[in-house]
Amino acid sequence: QVTLKESGPVLVKPTETLTLTCSVSGFSLSIARMGVSWIRQPPGKALEWLAHIFSNDEKSYSTSLKSRLTISKDTSKSQVVLTMTNMDPVDTATYYCARFDDSYGAGYFDYWGQGTLVTVSS
Amino acid sequence: DIQMTQSPSSLSASVGDRVTITCRASQSISSNLNWYQQKPGKAPKLLIYAASSLQSGVPSRFSGSGSGTDFTLTISSLQPEDIATYYCQQIYSTLWTFGQGTKVEVK
Repeated sequence: QVTLKESGPVLVKPTETLTLTCSVSGFSLSIARMGVSWIRQPPGKALEWLAHIFSNDEKSYSTSLKSRLTISKDTSKSQVVLTMTNMDPVDTATYYCARFDDSYGAGYFDYWGQGTLVTVSS
Repeated sequence: DIQMTQSPSSLSASVGDRVTITCRASQSISSNLNWYQQKPGKAPKLLIYAASSLQSGVPSRFSGSGSGTDFTLTISSLQPEDIATYYCQQIYSTLWTFGQGTKVEVK
């Protein structure tokens, strides 16, 4: 069974770098047409896609946050890591990782982690 | 980036009502449109992919339609468990974007 679980700090200070880890099970990060994205949701607000890493290690980033984001994966550990630099209180949000399945030519996020709330405050 | 605009932002309907949510893309995205349901405190759940394909396990009262720039999610008979916020998402470009959400409440 497919599961994803986010982990990382619950509180970071302004200007610090956030590092989040998504640990996956039930599928391999090397399977073609599969990938993992990070998506965030500020309290009471909409979902915002942040970054994606494909099975071939190709990466894609949100235009507005590209300069602050780095996504990577360790296939042997079944982990996807997101770093976000220069954190600000407006980055306070629940951060989700989600599996993207494009196996049938119609991609979608079919499995999501439970999310982890990150608060940015001094 | 492709902008996704949902309407209405919120709606209130009675159990058994037919509910329609629309999503408009800022440019044509063919049928590269997904719908998700999010209940309070939970992760989103995939309902519809490729504009009109029902995800396995999702009740048949949910349906999606549209192509190009205009899309619709319909709940044929609203049930109490359908209270949630619904999001559309485009995957036409690799810079994926979500709509701002539509909150559905029961009268």
